Amino acid sequence: GNSVTQMEGPVTLSEEAFLTINCTYTATGYPSLFWYVQYPGEGLQLLLKATKADDKGSNKGFEATYRKETTSFHLEKGSVQVSDSAVYFCALSVDFGNEKLTFGTGTRLTIIP
Amino acid sequence: DTAVSQTPKYLVTQMGNDKSIKCEQNLGHDTMYWYKQDSKKFLKIMFSYNNKELIINETVPNRFSPKSPDKAHLNLHINSLELGDSAVYFCASSQGMEQKAFFGQGTRLTVV
Repeated sequence: GNSVTQMEGPVTLSEEAFLTINCTYTATGYPSLFWYVQYPGEGLQLLLKATKADDKGSNKGFEATYRKETTSFHLEKGSVQVSDSAVYFCALSVDFGNEKLTFGTGTRLTIIP
Repeated sequence: DTAVSQTPKYLVTQMGNDKSIKCEQNLGHDTMYWYKQDSKKFLKIMFSYNNKELIINETVPNRFSPKSPDKAHLNLHINSLELGDSAVYFCASSQGMEQKAFFGQGTRLTVV
């Protein structure tokens, strides 16, 4: 079956630090990969995605590269801000007829000034 | 032990029917959600309940009605189903809206 494993967290960093949140996956077939973000008091939002190997998704300074050889999709940001404090979910979808998302368990990120 | 479980996993029904999707969480959380996943994998929040009270009610048709009999359950009832209701619906729960949410496996609804 399909599964997503991500850093357990919580992760606490100082402002302007470098961020990495690890995500690895197992999937039958060729998945599309996603990062979702949940800001405090809000619902989930799509942050970025990549649909094939070596694609790089990017948004709001965040990046993640689809690495088929290591089955990974690690989320990175060069300089985090307090406003990046949120919960981050890695997810995959295997599109055999539009299959649904499979989520990781989420990683809580807290940025301190 | 499944933390957030929703039933059924798959639901195929005809236009005009009324159907319900059930969600139960055994995590002791006080907040539960319903999300709709569209064909582009965007997740749109539909409802959020905290301690059985409606907190978030996004713009969804009145045909969608959430029901929370207790903190551990948040069911989604849909009247007069339409073709456009076909989607995957995710239930989730968290301890307050500040903590991370745990997701169910999703219910794929197909209206024919």
